[in-house]
Amino acid sequence: QVQLVESGGGGVHPGRSLRLSCAASGFDFDQYTMNWVRQAPGKGLEWVAFISSDGSNINYGASVKGRFTISRDNSNSTLFLQMNNVRPDDTAVYFCGRPSTKFSYGYLPFWGQGALVTVSS
Amino acid sequence: EIVMTQSPVNMSVSPGERATLSCRASQDIRTTLAWYQQRPGQAPRLLIYAASTRAPGIPGRFSGSGSGTEFTLTISSLQSEDSAFYHCQQYSDWRLFTFGQGTKLEIK
Repeated sequence: QVQLVESGGGGVHPGRSLRLSCAASGFDFDQYTMNWVRQAPGKGLEWVAFISSDGSNINYGASVKGRFTISRDNSNSTLFLQMNNVRPDDTAVYFCGRPSTKFSYGYLPFWGQGALVTVSS
Repeated sequence: EIVMTQSPVNMSVSPGERATLSCRASQDIRTTLAWYQQRPGQAPRLLIYAASTRAPGIPGRFSGSGSGTEFTLTISSLQSEDSAFYHCQQYSDWRLFTFGQGTKLEIK
């Protein structure tokens, strides 16, 4: 079955960097687009970034553009989110999510359990 | 950016009654809308996609409707386990997906 497992979360000081990973299994990872979505404490969901199956198309939400980088390693079925120059308002649970069908985008039936990132001095 | 606005922000409904949640898009998104349920400490769970299609395994008391800019999630015959946050998401613009701010549903 589809499994998505995030890792790499933790505490980080403002201005520093952190890299999240999302290990995928149970499906052909290299044939699916992938997303990062985050949720600040007590807040709604915020879409963060999208990457196409081959990594050639990438999009970011306005609040992270220029600071975060989404990437993927299809040979190891892993999705990454490099977070640079983090700010306190980046504090959130970060989820990776997969759409329903190959090479598609849009709604997300499959989610990881989330990784908590806390930005604080 | 397509802005999604959900209402109400909070609602409290008795078991067995019906809950109606709304989601409005700032521009026409046809039927490219999904609804998610999220219980505390859990990942979101897809309920509805394409505005009105139930995801596999979702009970029939969850239904979605609407198109264009106005959408509704209806939960009939509420049960205690329906207490959760509910989020809508537009995927019309593949370059920038957006979610609503969420509705917290409490079962009295």
